[in-house]
Amino acid sequence: QQQVKQSPQSLIVQKGGISIINCAYENTAFDYFPWYQQFPGKGPALLIAIRPDVSEKKEGRFTISFNKSAKQFSLHIMDSQPGDSATYFCAASSQTSGTYKYIFGTGTRLKVLA
Amino acid sequence: GAGVSQTPSNKVTEKGKYVELRCDPISGHTALYWYRQSLGQGPEFLIYFQGTGAADDSGLPNDRFFAVRPEGSVSTLKIQRTERGDSAVYLCASSLLAGYNEQFFGPGTRLTVL
Repeated sequence: QQQVKQSPQSLIVQKGGISIINCAYENTAFDYFPWYQQFPGKGPALLIAIRPDVSEKKEGRFTISFNKSAKQFSLHIMDSQPGDSATYFCAASSQTSGTYKYIFGTGTRLKVLA
Repeated sequence: GAGVSQTPSNKVTEKGKYVELRCDPISGHTALYWYRQSLGQGPEFLIYFQGTGAADDSGLPNDRFFAVRPEGSVSTLKIQRTERGDSAVYLCASSLLAGYNEQFFGPGTRLTVL
């Protein structure tokens, strides 16, 4: 119930291509879904986040698509660049229940080829 | 400082020893979180503070783990009788408030138990 399943585990994309990472959850109490980017030796940094009252949110080259009925959400990185090579984590939390902790997926290691 | 800082950056200890890991949150942030990240995995929630009190300690794996935040700013994660399985990167995050607020992560402390 508390898990967030993330796929794929790793992804290789050509420069300029679209990177797509998918996540699925079971707990319908989750109401906040952030995506974090992590470079080796660094802490995760927030990329973009969404609440379930919208189906899509775009910030620059990064877009979250959210399907509430399917309990799935995905990150799309348009025009992928070598500098986007990092590990990406989806997460979910139940803000209205007052716990605020993030449940993270297992991560996707993205490599963008120059 | 501008971001969340954690000390030490690396800690090597022997099985059975006691360790303390320190987190300095962003100034003014009232919420503080500890996560543990094992190799190749997403961060796993340990404990969350709102002010000085531990609002949610459901992620602490056992009673060898304890955390404090006596003045509502700096926090210390304490691990007694360390075991090899405790080896991981311990991440600290802070947010301005709990709720729909970005969690800013520090670089982590890499703990190695020999």
